[in-house]
This record gives sequence, structure tokens and C-alpha cells, in this order.
Amino acid sequence: DQQVKQNSPSLSVQEGRISILNCDYTNSMFDYFLWYKKYPAEGPTFLISISSIKDKNEDGRFTVFLNKSAKHLSLHIVPSQPGDSAVYFCAASVWGDMRFGAGTRLTVKP
Amino acid sequence: EAQVTQNPRYLITVTGKKLTVTCSQNMNHEYMSWYRQDPGLGLRQIYYSMNVEVTDKGDVPEGYKVSRKEKRNFPLILESPSPNQTSLYFCASSYGSAKNIQYFGAGTRLSVL
Repeated sequence: DQQVKQNSPSLSVQEGRISILNCDYTNSMFDYFLWYKKYPAEGPTFLISISSIKDKNEDGRFTVFLNKSAKHLSLHIVPSQPGDSAVYFCAASVWGDMRFGAGTRLTVKP
Repeated sequence: EAQVTQNPRYLITVTGKKLTVTCSQNMNHEYMSWYRQDPGLGLRQIYYSMNVEVTDKGDVPEGYKVSRKEKRNFPLILESPSPNQTSLYFCASSYGSAKNIQYFGAGTRLSVL
């Protein structure tokens, strides 16, 4: 069973606008959440993370929001840039166990 | 340069022929992990290791073996590969646990005929 779900396989936004990527999880034991970005022919790279004791973490243009009661997190990118076009994976962990979502392909149009 | 190195990058093999994909990191990380990426399923964890001689099953361990005899190396072994193990494989490492930033290798594309 998929414990981490990204229900939108793709998202297209205009340069300069906000991109919102969503993620839902089912296992309430997860205590740390991360977003990774992946370009073709490369391994994923870390983007931003949030502990379960927080509800928001910000790093430049990237903000992650966590709603524990809804078991939902989202990644906001403001403003979006063409270089942000990639596949974004949501991930959740507890100790050594790590579960990823299926990914959302973001396309930012100039 | 800090990096995670996987070899080979591409491999075509036949059903039943044992193979090993190597993974090495030069960052003195305790934690290492193997994932496979399949369309529509994202990355799924196969095995992970919290430190030398400590390994544990991930989400999809069936058909795979690992060992962690040295801190820097974490090979993935397919004793008898089958076509359903055709996939893109990634090795990753981090300090401490999966909570910390994981550094990924460039991937190994495996085809089992």
C-alpha cells in the first residue's frame, strides 16, 4: 500500500506565479517530511524538510506546510521559475524507514 | 567532492544470472539506502542500513540482498534476477538516519530479459 500519495502526476504554471504541490500520507508514525527534486538522468536532490512538531518551514522561494490532523503537506514555490521544472517527490520518514510519493512533474512556462 | 557513486550505470542481463550493483560514498555517512523507481510508483525503499553490519528491510525487499561490511560501501545483490526487477535503482546516504538530507547516486538502469 502506498503510504505517501501525490495525486497530481503533473502541474503546469506560468513563470512568476505560485506553484503548489500536494502530498497526503496515511501513517501517523511518520515524524519527518521532505521534498526532493529530480531532473532527468540525475538522482533526486534534497529541497526542503519539516519536522512533525512544526507546521511551516521556509527556505527562500520554497515553503512547506504540514497539516498533521489532515495528514497533508504541501510545497509552495513563489515565484516559480523555468529552472524549477522537474519532478518533485514528497517523502516521509520514521527513523530509517523512508516512503516516497509517486512524484509530480512541474512545468514552469516562460 | 562529496558524492555517492553507483556502478554500473546501465546493465542488461538475463533471468537468473546473479548480479551486484555497487554503491560507495565518501562522506562518512552512517545511513545508506537502496531505492527503485518505477513509473507511477515513485521511489520505493528496498533495504537500508543504519551503520556497519546493521541492515533492515524497506518497503520492497523481496528478491534482493544487501550487506554493509564497511561504512562506505553498500552493495545491492540480485541472486536470481527476474524481469519484474527491471527498474531504475538509486543508492543514497545521509548522516544518522533517513530524516537527514540524503545524497543520491546518479542511478543504475537495469533491464532483466
